[in-house]
Amino acid sequence: KNQVEQSPQSLIILEGKNCTLQCNYTVSPFSNLRWYKQDTGRGPVSLTIMTFSENTKSNGRYTATLDADTKQSSLHITASQLSDSASYICVVSARYSGGGADGLTFGKGTHLIIQP
Amino acid sequence: EPEVTQTPSHQVTQMGQEVILRCVPISNHLYFYWYRQILGQKVEFLVSFYNNEISEKSEIFDDQFSVERPDGSNFTLKIRSTKLEDSAMYFCASKYRTGDDEQYFGPGTRLTVT
Repeated sequence: KNQVEQSPQSLIILEGKNCTLQCNYTVSPFSNLRWYKQDTGRGPVSLTIMTFSENTKSNGRYTATLDADTKQSSLHITASQLSDSASYICVVSARYSGGGADGLTFGKGTHLIIQP
Repeated sequence: EPEVTQTPSHQVTQMGQEVILRCVPISNHLYFYWYRQILGQKVEFLVSFYNNEISEKSEIFDDQFSVERPDGSNFTLKIRSTKLEDSAMYFCASKYRTGDDEQYFGPGTRLTVT
């Protein structure tokens, strides 16, 4: 069964600090991995998408890494801002899975709170 | 920048009533999706729609649910005889092409069944 596990479940850091969120997956055959940011009561917004051959991708202060061998990904946030407070969801896509929604498997997300 | 819109933002209904949630996908997109997110839980796939028919559906999407694209712009989710456990955020998403193309999510409709 395809699964995506994220850690930590929640995280509180001070404004200006860095943090790293983790994602482990058991999705096969792997197609791509996405990180989404979801503000409370809003829809997910894409931050990065990485295919099998990519091991790092940046979007401003967000840097995602992917190790397809160990099936792990991380999202690093640099110099956090109050507006970074949100849930960060790891979503893995399986190729040709026919498993629904183009084979997307969602993690539960990490709830990040940035304190002033 | 084009975006997916959803109406209403919040819908309150009594148990047993029917609701219709509306979505306007990005105009040149061809693939459409509904997801739900029960409070505190992860996003769950409901149904995908392409070429005026359902492509895939999850086990959640039973006979209580139906989708329709009544015109060239709207994409609707109908929930018949709502139950308390249908209370959730419902997200619409769309994308242009098949394969790994990005899905763009709407802001969601919060459905509260009392």
